[in-house]
Amino acid sequence: ELKVEQNPLFLSMQEEKNYTIYCNYSTTSDRLYWYRQDPGKSLESLFVLLSNGAVKQEGRLMASLDTKARLSTLHITAAVHDLSATYFCAVDPPGSGSRLTFGEGTQLTVNP
Amino acid sequence: ETGVTQTPRHLVMGMTNKKSLKCEQHLGHNAMYWYKQSAKKPLELMFVYNFKEQTENNSVPSRFSPECPNSSHLFLHLHTLQPEDSALYLCASSLWTDQPQHFGDGTRLSIL
Repeated sequence: ELKVEQNPLFLSMQEEKNYTIYCNYSTTSDRLYWYRQDPGKSLESLFVLLSNGAVKQEGRLMASLDTKARLSTLHITAAVHDLSATYFCAVDPPGSGSRLTFGEGTQLTVNP
Repeated sequence: ETGVTQTPRHLVMGMTNKKSLKCEQHLGHNAMYWYKQSAKKPLELMFVYNFKEQTENNSVPSRFSPECPNSSHLFLHLHTLQPEDSALYLCASSLWTDQPQHFGDGTRLSIL
């Protein structure tokens, strides 16, 4: 059974600081997604990582994928309050037929 | 506006009621999904429809009955639910099953 683990699950950080959220998964996959969810809102797709070594950046967020280590990271640079949300990673292993398995989510709070 | 619309946004029902959740997408996508999001648990995939055909049933109890009359509409019929079924039910769609999924805002379901 595929397991997807995120850490930390809760993160409180100051504005302008940097931090990294980690996503480990237990089986082979070369497709990983990062989503953002604001309270009471839908999940918003942030990044799709499709190969080993993939790195994508959007604003203050940068995501990377290491398929050999079965690890993805979401790095936050110079955090701002607007980044406060819950961040999910999701893995879609080969042959799963679009069966995304999500991590528990990391609840990020950026304090002024 | 994500392009995926779910109604109702909130639903309170008794265990003996019958109700339906509706999902509609105007993105021209061919695949649609139902997820369950419970407190303190990862998102759980329930059903996948690809070109109106159900391709995934993730061991969901029969008190949940999906229906996909066309590629733009997806329903989740509910009957004789249990208190543990209280959760946020999210609908998603994607162009193909291996493409990023776009999520609706969800229906917050409470079972009395």
